[in-house]
Parts: sequence; C-alpha cells; structure tokens
Amino acid sequence: KQEVTQIPAALSVPEGENLVLNCSFTDSAIYNLQWFRQDPGKGLTSLLLIQSSQREQTSGRLNASLDKSSGRSTLYIAASQPGDSATYLCAVVLTGGGNKLTFGTGTQLKVEL
Amino acid sequence: DTGVSQNPRHKITKRGQNVTFRCDPISEHNRLYWYRQTLGQGPEFLTYFQNEAQLEKSRLLSDRFSAERPKGSFSTLEIQRTEQGDSAMYLCASSLGFLGTAYNEQFFGPGTRLTVL
Repeated sequence: KQEVTQIPAALSVPEGENLVLNCSFTDSAIYNLQWFRQDPGKGLTSLLLIQSSQREQTSGRLNASLDKSSGRSTLYIAASQPGDSATYLCAVVLTGGGNKLTFGTGTQLKVEL
Repeated sequence: DTGVSQNPRHKITKRGQNVTFRCDPISEHNRLYWYRQTLGQGPEFLTYFQNEAQLEKSRLLSDRFSAERPKGSFSTLEIQRTEQGDSAMYLCASSLGFLGTAYNEQFFGPGTRLTVL
C-alpha cells in the first residue's frame, strides 16, 4: 500500500525566507506527483505536476523536484510571502492505479510579517 | 466560472438522515473523482468515473454511500442514514483521461462540508 509522508507537519518562517517542504512515498512505481495548496476550509489548488519521467517543474517562485528512486519530492518556495500561508499537500498517482491520488497529511505553513 | 463546482457548500444534518451532494466538473473533462477529507488529514479517495462508468470504489465507500454520473456530466454522491463519523469535507475533482495520455492533472472543486449532529 502506497504511503505518503510529509515533513514537517507545520512550519513557521519570517517573510522573505526561502523554504523547502518535503514529501516521501513508499512505492516508487508512480505515474506522477502533484503538489497542492489548501487554504482553511477551502478546496485544493493545483500548484505543480511532475510526470515520472521528469526531475523538476517550476512555476514562478515555486520549484518542485522528484527523485523516484529515493521516493522523495521537495517543494521549494522562494522569497516567501504572508500570502503563501496555507497547507501544502503532495499526492501521487500509482502506475496502473486508476489515476486516483494518494495524499500526504500536509505541511501547514505560516509566513509571518 | 469554468472550474469544478460543488453544491451545497455546507450541509448540516441530523444522524440518520440522507444527504446528496452534487459536483459539476470542468466541461471537457471525462474523468470525475470523489474524495473525503477529515480534519487534519489529506483527502482520501472514494470513487471515480470515466464518463458515466464508475470504474473504481474505495473500501471507504460503505453500502450507505452511492455515487452516480448519469450521461457522463455532473455527479451526485448520496449518503444514506448518516452517522457522526461521516462528518467531513467531500471534495470532487475532474481531469482529462485517455489511454496513453501523459497529462492527467486533477482540478478540485471547493468541497462540501458535511456536519452530522
């Protein structure tokens, strides 16, 4: 059974700091990995999707990397802003897994002024 | 608005009552998914449809849960005889999905928050 773990569970940083969120998964036979943002009481916003053949994806201040062999992904946020405060979730799709996402429990990020 | 929409956004019900949620996917998306999220946890997969066919159901989807997607457009999720343990956020997502496609990003709606008293 695929298990997805995110560390740390919560993180508080001052504005302007660069930060890294970690995601690890137990089954390396993934089709892709997706990072989401969730604001309190809201749905999920897709941030980045990395196909299994890719090593990283970038969007603005966000950069996500994928190392299938070690079962890890990182989400790098540059020059953090208070508006980045949210819960960040990673999720994987297993090869042959019917396209369903298996999520981690998330990292709750707070960027302080 | 061309995103995924869900109704209602909030539902409060008494234990034992039946509830039904609706999800309208992005219009050109042929795959539709339901997930459930409890407080402090990541979403958990419940079921998904390819067009009107329900292709997979999680063990979480007990006999009290039923999902439909008539005509391959909107979907409904019904919970019969609700229990307090059903209290959660129910999320719907949609994607394009064809054999051989590499791009299957899922887009989520705002969710329906269910509270069972």
